[in-house]
Amino acid sequence: GAVVSQHPSWVICKSGTSVKIECRSLDFQATTMFWYRQFPKKSLMLMATSNEGSKATYEQGVEKDKFLINHASLTLSTLTVTSAHPEDSSFYICSARDRAWYGYTFGSGTRLTVV
Amino acid sequence: DQQVKQNSPSLSVQEGRISILNCDYTNSMFDYFLWYKKYPAEGPTFLISISSIKDKNEDGRFTVFLNKSAKHLSLHIVPSQPGDSAVYFCAASRSSNTGKLIFGQGTTLQVKP
Repeated sequence: GAVVSQHPSWVICKSGTSVKIECRSLDFQATTMFWYRQFPKKSLMLMATSNEGSKATYEQGVEKDKFLINHASLTLSTLTVTSAHPEDSSFYICSARDRAWYGYTFGSGTRLTVV
Repeated sequence: DQQVKQNSPSLSVQEGRISILNCDYTNSMFDYFLWYKKYPAEGPTFLISISSIKDKNEDGRFTVFLNKSAKHLSLHIVPSQPGDSAVYFCAASRSSNTGKLIFGQGTTLQVKP
């Protein structure tokens, strides 16, 4: 089946630094990538949608200059949390969709802790 | 504005009995619905989906029912097993809107042996 590899699975960084999270589709072409964040015991909140080769579309309230999304190829999308602060600590999950089939494949998530 | 709602944060069921998880939505434009199972610190795992042209979809122990007039869907798990214990999310999408998924808040299911 379709697999999305997400790295790192967890990361601890200092305030003010930037962190990059990668999601790779291993056996299909991820024409669309969705990025979510989840706070403890809360729902998955969609942050942005990116299509390969295009700029990402951000949901209301999500700072695009803080959460940089790159989707330069059909198999790789990255989320960079810039100038991270403790309130950015969260669980970030990517989800890839192949236009060939109406399904969503999720990565395993990244636990970001900003200290 | 919570477009997808799971009003029961938790559910406890005895092994072998039926688990019924409920989900309500407000956006009548949603036409595709999915259920996911999730463990802490892991990504969601797809369980079952249903298109708005159907009112029922079954896959093994899992059945999803859709009531469009009530904007309500439910997931039935029968028989429930201890391994089913997890957080269950329902999600909805509009096929004409990039396909982005909107998730409910989740329901924690505990199946007791």
